Amino acid sequence: NAGVTQTPKFQVLKTGQSMTLQCAQDMNHEYMSWYRQDPGMGLRLIHYSVGAGITDQGEVPNGYNVSRSTTEDFPLRLLSAAPSQTSVYFCASSYSGLSSYNEQFFGPGTRLTVL
Amino acid sequence: AQSVTQLDSQVPVFEEAPVELRCNYSSSVSVYLFWYVQYPNQGLQLLLKYLSGSTLVESINGFEAEFNKSQTSFHLRKPSVHISDTAEYFCAVSDQVSGATNKLIFGTGTLLAVQP
Repeated sequence: NAGVTQTPKFQVLKTGQSMTLQCAQDMNHEYMSWYRQDPGMGLRLIHYSVGAGITDQGEVPNGYNVSRSTTEDFPLRLLSAAPSQTSVYFCASSYSGLSSYNEQFFGPGTRLTVL
Repeated sequence: AQSVTQLDSQVPVFEEAPVELRCNYSSSVSVYLFWYVQYPNQGLQLLLKYLSGSTLVESINGFEAEFNKSQTSFHLRKPSVHISDTAEYFCAVSDQVSGATNKLIFGTGTLLAVQP
């Protein structure tokens, strides 16, 4: 298993440009999520999905869109990048259970700089 | 809503010395508690977790954490650190009610800097 993969690893954008951060997992996990990591602020949840066709907002969703057309993929879209979106982005996935916690597996991250 | 507080942003320590990384949480419901480790330029890895049962949980590399409900704490300890333990450590909480969504709330992280 490749686990959780993210592309690209690094990206530099200009203000106003759009792009999509890719996330894929090969573990047949129902739950997938996106976090951003900023110095002194830890990781904050952007969006999450409990299965194909189902997405919801996390703590900091503004400026980001997601969709979940397949179990494997959960792309994160920046429609008009802003310098405040400069961050390291992590994708995570896990099984989904109603009565127990399921370990989340994190991807290696995408380091995004918006000029 | 839950929140997690890691008061120490950085903890310098000499090799083979003991260390404690502090974590306090707040929640109105029962929670699951976690410690994640992030080595330089890598993603997060689960270090250990408390779900239920024994309040003392251990990792395979010598770390342990104790869930203290009365003090709402989940401090991470290691009796003797190594250079290879240098990393950032994140405490996280997930409430047991939203188990299906697995939503995690993270603390701001503590950088453990082990010096020779």
